[in-house]
Amino acid sequence: DAGVIQSPRHEVTEMGQEVTLRCKPISGHNSLFWYRQTMMRGLELLIYFNNNVPIDDSGMPEDRFSAKMPNASFSTLKIQPSEPRDSAVYFCASGETSASDTQYFGPGTRLTVL
Amino acid sequence: GENVEQHPSTLSVQEGDSAVIKCTYSDSASNYFPWYKQELGKGPQLIIDIRSNVGEKKDQRIAVTLNKTAKHFSLHITETQPEDSAVYFCAAKPLTGGGNKLTFGTGTQLKVEL
Repeated sequence: DAGVIQSPRHEVTEMGQEVTLRCKPISGHNSLFWYRQTMMRGLELLIYFNNNVPIDDSGMPEDRFSAKMPNASFSTLKIQPSEPRDSAVYFCASGETSASDTQYFGPGTRLTVL
Repeated sequence: GENVEQHPSTLSVQEGDSAVIKCTYSDSASNYFPWYKQELGKGPQLIIDIRSNVGEKKDQRIAVTLNKTAKHFSLHITETQPEDSAVYFCAAKPLTGGGNKLTFGTGTQLKVEL
């Protein structure tokens, strides 16, 4: 299995631009999680989906952030407009079912907003 | 909500020595406690986990202990090797009320010196 796939691995953009991060969960997994990692705040859960439905988005920092999961094999996290304080590593993780505990992380996308 | 504290933030040991990382949690309903290892430039990877019905679990050189009464759990690495150098995160998940959400500690940078 290829594991969780994220793209791009690195993204550098200018303030005000739209950024779209992509995630392909492990085939057959029904839960998907988006995290943000910074030195100051550590690993923060932004949003998670079960069976493509958003369950908890309380971690999404602002309306500038949005996430979608149009099907079981693809999810996006969009930031519009981006700001320098959004610079971080964004991880996607997937889990087998809504009841399973283990989360499998992707390699992350390092976002730099200038 | 759940709050997980992790200590120490950095830990340096000599190769062959043991390393211990400790975490405390606040929500007595938490029942699942995983440990993740994050190497530079990679996503966190699960290395061991424990559930609240067990007090200790071992897997070769790593072990985790759980004290539900005191609400703390620890990671023990014996015979440390240079490849154990990484950032380690503990996490906690409640049985109910939190869905699939993991709450992570702030991480411990472990350095194994030759």
